[in-house]
Amino acid sequence: GQNIDQPTEMTATEGAIVQINCTYQTSGFNGLFWYQQHAGEAPTFLSYNVLDGLEEKGRFSSFLSRSKGYSYLLLKELQMKDSASYLCAVRERNTNAGKSTFGDGTTLTVKP
Amino acid sequence: DVKVTQSSRYLVKRTGEKVFLECVQDMDHENMFWYRQDPGLGLRLIYFSYDVKMKEKGDIPEGYSVSREKKERFSLILESASTNQTSMYLCASSFEGVATQETQYFGPGTRLLVL
Repeated sequence: GQNIDQPTEMTATEGAIVQINCTYQTSGFNGLFWYQQHAGEAPTFLSYNVLDGLEEKGRFSSFLSRSKGYSYLLLKELQMKDSASYLCAVRERNTNAGKSTFGDGTTLTVKP
Repeated sequence: DVKVTQSSRYLVKRTGEKVFLECVQDMDHENMFWYRQDPGLGLRLIYFSYDVKMKEKGDIPEGYSVSREKKERFSLILESASTNQTSMYLCASSFEGVATQETQYFGPGTRLLVL
């Protein structure tokens, strides 16, 4: 089974950098996703890590350490539109259908 | 562009009614999922399917059933709706394969209120 932990809420200032952490415990790891969900909308894909290290994609980067069961999402040059919930999801090995288990999400509020 | 559509954005039903939530995807994805999302509880998997007529229980299947007669369509059925099934229901789909990321693409959600 899976156990995924992320902070419930975070607040940051426009233009700043924020790091959202995710720790997980799993019986078999096969990749970690980050999704963004604006209030009242569906989650959308942000990033995917399967190997250790940093994946950079514009203002957003995601890091993974499999030995520590740890990932973070780094958001740079924060904009007001980045206010959203950020969901960490772990793909477990040996499951059918690409099944992922989601964390409860971190609600990020960006203030002017 | 991947498109996942759900039959209704908002739905109001009475306790005991049978409720059908429909989900259709247009990307020929093998996998489809039904989740519910509640404040403080995150996204919880109800059922999923990896092929036509194939289904597996997720973490909270009680009170629900599903149907996948065609590859593009995955239906969630509440046999007898109860007030504790008031929630946001999200459908998702993904490709199947070792080489793919199996990113899930979500529909817009159905907000169900059971009175």
